[in-house]
Amino acid sequence: EIVLTQSPGTLSLSPGERATLSCRASQSVSTNYLAWYQQRPGQAPRLLIYGASSRATGIPDRFSGSGSGTDFTLTISRLEPEDFAVYYCQQYGTKGVTFGPGTKVDIK
Amino acid sequence: QVQLQESGPGLVKPSETLSLTCAVSGYSISNDYSWGWIRQPPGKGLEWVGSISHSGNTNYNPSLKSRVTMSVDSSKNQFTLRLSSVTAADTAVYYCARRGGTSYYYFDYWGQGTLVTVSS
Repeated sequence: EIVLTQSPGTLSLSPGERATLSCRASQSVSTNYLAWYQQRPGQAPRLLIYGASSRATGIPDRFSGSGSGTDFTLTISRLEPEDFAVYYCQQYGTKGVTFGPGTKVDIK
Repeated sequence: QVQLQESGPGLVKPSETLSLTCAVSGYSISNDYSWGWIRQPPGKGLEWVGSISHSGNTNYNPSLKSRVTMSVDSSKNQFTLRLSSVTAADTAVYYCARRGGTSYYYFDYWGQGTLVTVSS
């Protein structure tokens, strides 16, 4: 099973700042099978990025994804108040789907 | 607009079987795509339970495989999850979701989630 590690565990930033979130896989992941989600308290996860770098429908362009192989990054160019949430990466491989443990972006 | 809604008992006794249904509206489940269950223990991260295609092909989390059964009911436009021999460790919010894309793997539409507590 492919294990995803996300860092940092918590990112404390101010509105308007740039957020850089990392997702590292224990084995190489196809870029087609790497996605990012946002989860706000009490809500279901929301798809942000699929295929490592494609924004989902309706996602603002301040969200961007990049990376390949075992290292992937989600970048939020300028944090808006509604962006303070938990972010998960997800991969699909031969043994199914796994999620990373999440990065919490909170207000500094 | 695709919408998913989970339903089922909120309380299940240890050793019994958890059974949840996901009703889909705004899209015919038999047309295409796969459908999945993801769970989230209180205060913790997301765990994939399994997925089922519109034709009934299944793919389960290896750690749960011996206890999971998923099925599709196209006549009711819904799919179901059964998890047997539950313990307190199965207490979680259970989400149903649609797997979007064919060359990609992601979940683009999610239900609101339903909390299932395993307790006597």
